[in-house]
Amino acid sequence: TQLLEQSPQFLSIQEGENLTVYCNSSSVFSSLQWYRQEPGEGPVLLVTVVTGGEVKKLKRLTFQFGDARKDSSLHITAAQPGDTGLYLCAGESIFKAAGNKLTFGGGTRVLVKP
Amino acid sequence: NAGVTQTPKFQVLKTGQSMTLQCAQDMNHEYMSWYRQDPGMGLRLIHYSVGAGITDQGEVPNGYNVSRSTTEDFPLRLLSAAPSQTSVYFCASALWHQETQYFGPGTRLLVL
Repeated sequence: TQLLEQSPQFLSIQEGENLTVYCNSSSVFSSLQWYRQEPGEGPVLLVTVVTGGEVKKLKRLTFQFGDARKDSSLHITAAQPGDTGLYLCAGESIFKAAGNKLTFGGGTRVLVKP
Repeated sequence: NAGVTQTPKFQVLKTGQSMTLQCAQDMNHEYMSWYRQDPGMGLRLIHYSVGAGITDQGEVPNGYNVSRSTTEDFPLRLLSAAPSQTSVYFCASALWHQETQYFGPGTRLLVL
């Protein structure tokens, strides 16, 4: 069973501060996805990282995939109240027979106070 | 396109009752799946399907049944609800071997 651990579980910061969320595993993943979920809604995909060491930027969000494809991080620069939400990482199995199956981390709840 | 739709949005059941959670997608996606979300545990895969007539178990399949008679629909059945099945249920779909999974808005289930 592949497991993903996210840390921290909860993060409360002031507007303008930076934050980093971590996603770690002892297993290798084919790719790592980051989702954001608003209350009462389903998760929405933010980004997918595929190559070890890959860095992707989405405006103020920076995503990094570890060299060994076992871990990932999400860094938000100058956080805004609109960044508030539940951030989930999800790993795609390296076994092609598993198809689209994802393993999710426990989530990090981010609160950005104005 | 409506995307992924789920009904009902909220349901209260008594222990032992049965019900079906509906999920439909209009994007012609081969892959569909059901997850449950509990506090602090992210999303856990219940069952999934890679096409009509093909289903398989995920991480937490016990107490749930699924079928996939059409590409569009993937209902989840609880045969005898238990309080441990109180959760928020999400359906998702994707093109086979494509990265992006599209999630429905969820069904909040309370079993008393």
